[in-house]
Amino acid sequence: GIQVEQSPPDLILQEGANSTLRCNFSDSVNNLQWFHQNPWGQLINLFYIPSGTKQNGRLSATTVATERYSLLYISSSQTTDSGVYFCAVYTGTASKLTFGTGTRLQVTL
Amino acid sequence: DSGVTQTPKHLITATGQRVTLRCSPRSGDLSVYWYQQSLDQGLQFLIQYYNGEERAKGNILERFSAQQFPDLHSELNLSSLELGDSALYFCASSLRESSYEQYFGPGTRLTVT
Repeated sequence: GIQVEQSPPDLILQEGANSTLRCNFSDSVNNLQWFHQNPWGQLINLFYIPSGTKQNGRLSATTVATERYSLLYISSSQTTDSGVYFCAVYTGTASKLTFGTGTRLQVTL
Repeated sequence: DSGVTQTPKHLITATGQRVTLRCSPRSGDLSVYWYQQSLDQGLQFLIQYYNGEERAKGNILERFSAQQFPDLHSELNLSSLELGDSALYFCASSLRESSYEQYFGPGTRLTVT
């Protein structure tokens, strides 16, 4: 099956810093989602992005499906951005999401 | 709030027991998915239902079963529980059955002692 790898696995930032999280996938995908899992375990939808670039406040995402990667940008990070960020992909006709390994982000004061 | 509800939030039970997890999808969504998140396996797809019918199966054990009812809510039944079944179980829903954005519920944290 498809492999979805995320980097870096762990990231510690000071408040106000910017960061880029990467998601690589081993096969072509129909679509891709980014999630934030907060410290309480909730999975929050960030982006649904098969290709191109989307922005939502301090967050933006870019997917280059032909090169099999997606990037999540976090600008001016805040302590509330802490948690684990997952990318997840749809492949072929399957409806299931295959999740990446996650990037654990800690934002400190 | 995603609009997907799950009950209960927490469940503690003993090995060998059976539990039922419940999920109500977002209004208008026809497809329901179940995922398991454990420390060693990460987030894994278990099973999908669309408008009452099973559509896809993932790494779901034979001891586990699910169904989707006419009102579109879904239940995941876990039986003969083992310590390794302790995990966070998520339900997600989407409008249709393929490649549509999925929205996740808050999860049920199951602890098997």
